[in-house]
Amino acid sequence: GAVVSQHPSWVICKSGTSVKIECRSLDFQATTMFWYRQFPKQSLMLMATSNEGSKATYEQGVEKDKFLINHASLTLSTLTVTSAHPEDSSFYICSALMQGPAGELFFGEGSRLTVL
Amino acid sequence: KQEVTQIPAALSVPEGENLVLNCSFTDSAIYNLQWFRQDPGKGLTSLLLIQSSQREQTSGRLNASLDKSSGRSTLYIAASQPGDSATYLCAVRPSKTSGSRLTFGEGTQLTVNP
Repeated sequence: GAVVSQHPSWVICKSGTSVKIECRSLDFQATTMFWYRQFPKQSLMLMATSNEGSKATYEQGVEKDKFLINHASLTLSTLTVTSAHPEDSSFYICSALMQGPAGELFFGEGSRLTVL
Repeated sequence: KQEVTQIPAALSVPEGENLVLNCSFTDSAIYNLQWFRQDPGKGLTSLLLIQSSQREQTSGRLNASLDKSSGRSTLYIAASQPGDSATYLCAVRPSKTSGSRLTFGEGTQLTVNP
């Protein structure tokens, strides 16, 4: 299947700092990418839909100033957790929608964020 | 609002058994359904994608069926192996629109014992 690369796979940061997570579709173009958050032993929670060249669409309850999303090209979306706090510690996963009629989604490997 | 349910929540089987994982959804107006596998601490791996017009898809030892009218899908795993141990998630996509969001089930945690 198609490959979506997420980087970094894990990051530890101090409270108050900002952290950027990258999501790249390596072998296909994706006009739409999705960012999820996952808590232990729970399913994925959609945070926002990232659209190439336009503003992201955030789910209810997700602070757009806290979680900045940029989708500057057809193969790259970034999530920046600004002024991170311990409650932001979580597993963040991106997915990319392959263009075409099939509408198949491919996921990255996830990024484990720990805020001290 | 679409709701996706997966039964059972957890399943433990001996190696070699054939098994079936179930997924049901409340709104039959879907574009496609996807089965994923998630290993602990990892992202999701796409296993099978079934379009709404299809009845089943096969890949190796995996076979997924879709009965859209009854709102059900099953994932059949033949001759299970310890390496199949993971959480299996099904997700439905409501429409062809690029921004349409997947609705996930809570997953079935599968353990295959050697």
